[in-house]
Amino acid sequence: DTAVSQTPKYLVTQMGNDKSIKCEQNLGHDTMYWYKQDSKKFLKIMFSYNNKELIINETVPNRFSPKSPDKAHLNLHINSLELGDSAVYFCASSEMTSVSGQYFGPGTRLTVT
Amino acid sequence: RKEVEQDPGPFNVPEGATVAFNCTYSNSASQSFFWYRQDCRKEPKLLMSVYSSGNEDGRFTAQLNRASQYISLLIRDSKLSDSATYLCVVNIDGANNLFFGTGTRLTVIP
Repeated sequence: DTAVSQTPKYLVTQMGNDKSIKCEQNLGHDTMYWYKQDSKKFLKIMFSYNNKELIINETVPNRFSPKSPDKAHLNLHINSLELGDSAVYFCASSEMTSVSGQYFGPGTRLTVT
Repeated sequence: RKEVEQDPGPFNVPEGATVAFNCTYSNSASQSFFWYRQDCRKEPKLLMSVYSSGNEDGRFTAQLNRASQYISLLIRDSKLSDSATYLCVVNIDGANNLFFGTGTRLTVIP
C-alpha cells in the first residue's frame, strides 16, 4: 500500500505551459506539504496546508498554487512554467504537527525545456 | 546563517566501520529533530527521530546537544546498504515546517 503517491513521476514540458502535479495520501494525516529539490539536492519547503491554514513560503512565486479538494489530496498547479522550475517536487504529509516526522511521496521530476 | 548546516561529505568508509555525522541548527527554540535518509533518485525517508536523552535503533544512535545546538548520528558496523545521503532535519518554528540540511553523503565500500 502506497502511503503518499504522486503523479506523474516524470513531466517534460515547454516554457510557458501550465501543468499540475497530483498528490494523495492514505495515512489519514491532517497536513500536507510540497517541497522542491533543486539540482544541488537542497530540499526546500514550498507550502504546508491543512484544512484550516495554508502557509506559503514567501519565496515561492505566485505562479505556484496548491489546491486541496479534500484532506487526502494536495495538488500543485504551476502557471507559465520557466526553465528554473526544473527540479524534483516532493509531496509529503504528517499529523497535525511535525513532531512525528513527515512522509514523502516518490517525487515528480519536472523538466522544462 | 543557514537554519540547518551539515558537512556534505562525501564520507567513504569500509564495511564494518563506525561513522558519525554532525549537524548544527541556528534556532535555540527548535523543538523536533530528525534524521532522514535519501537514496539516489528516491524520496527522503524518515530514519529516526532524535530525542533529548538520545536514542538508539539497532546500529543507529542519535544524540541531541541543546547547549551546543547540534545533533549527531552514529552508524555502527556499516553495511553496503547504508550508502545514501543522510539529511539532518529540524522543526525550527514550532509549526509544521521542517528545515532540511543539504545532506551528508555516505558511501560504504566493500
